Amino acid sequence: DTGVSQNPRHKITKRGQNVTFRCDPISEHNRLYWYRQTLGQGPEFLTYFQNEAQLEKSRLLSDRFSAERPKGSFSTLEIQRTEQGDSAMYLCASSLRVGSREQYFGPGTRLTVT
Amino acid sequence: DQQVKQNSPSLSVQEGRISILNCDYTNSMFDYFLWYKKYPAEGPTFLISISSIKDKNEDGRFTVFLNKSAKHLSLHIVPSQPGDSAVYFCAVPGGDSNYQLIWGAGTKLIIKP
Repeated sequence: DTGVSQNPRHKITKRGQNVTFRCDPISEHNRLYWYRQTLGQGPEFLTYFQNEAQLEKSRLLSDRFSAERPKGSFSTLEIQRTEQGDSAMYLCASSLRVGSREQYFGPGTRLTVT
Repeated sequence: DQQVKQNSPSLSVQEGRISILNCDYTNSMFDYFLWYKKYPAEGPTFLISISSIKDKNEDGRFTVFLNKSAKHLSLHIVPSQPGDSAVYFCAVPGGDSNYQLIWGAGTKLIIKP
């Protein structure tokens, strides 16, 4: 069990640029989640996948954000035309089976938009 | 409108004593509760959970108590150790699918030697 991995760990970008983050879940987990966390707050849900299907998206997820999980394994989160308000920690989590409520998190990607 | 609230931003406890972290929720339909621990620059780590059919769950030094009538849960750590210094979050499955986690703002626990 290698855990959830995320790349890159840190990303600094200029406003208006596009960025893409990758998440590799625990291998046998079929559910994958993206959250965003800002300083002093708990994580906020962005979206979730069951296998390759994106089943739920938060109202927080503007049109500039898109997530994919093409083969039901790794996932990518892309932010287009980044804004300073997008600066946050982006967390990925995965969970195993129907009825399992525990989610296991990766180390996160820290995005700074200058 | 915060559905999950942790009203203490920080808590300082002497090593070896009991740490008690609190969490309140507003929705009586919530039926499962989780505690996570987070160190700086790391993702949250699952600690312990409790179903609404129970009022207590214990795992080693960690015990979670659930008071459904008060919509309140607490995490007890006994005895507290320096490695317990971290931010603790309570989280509840909710949302449209009941798979997203709804989080409190966290409590920073500092264990003093």
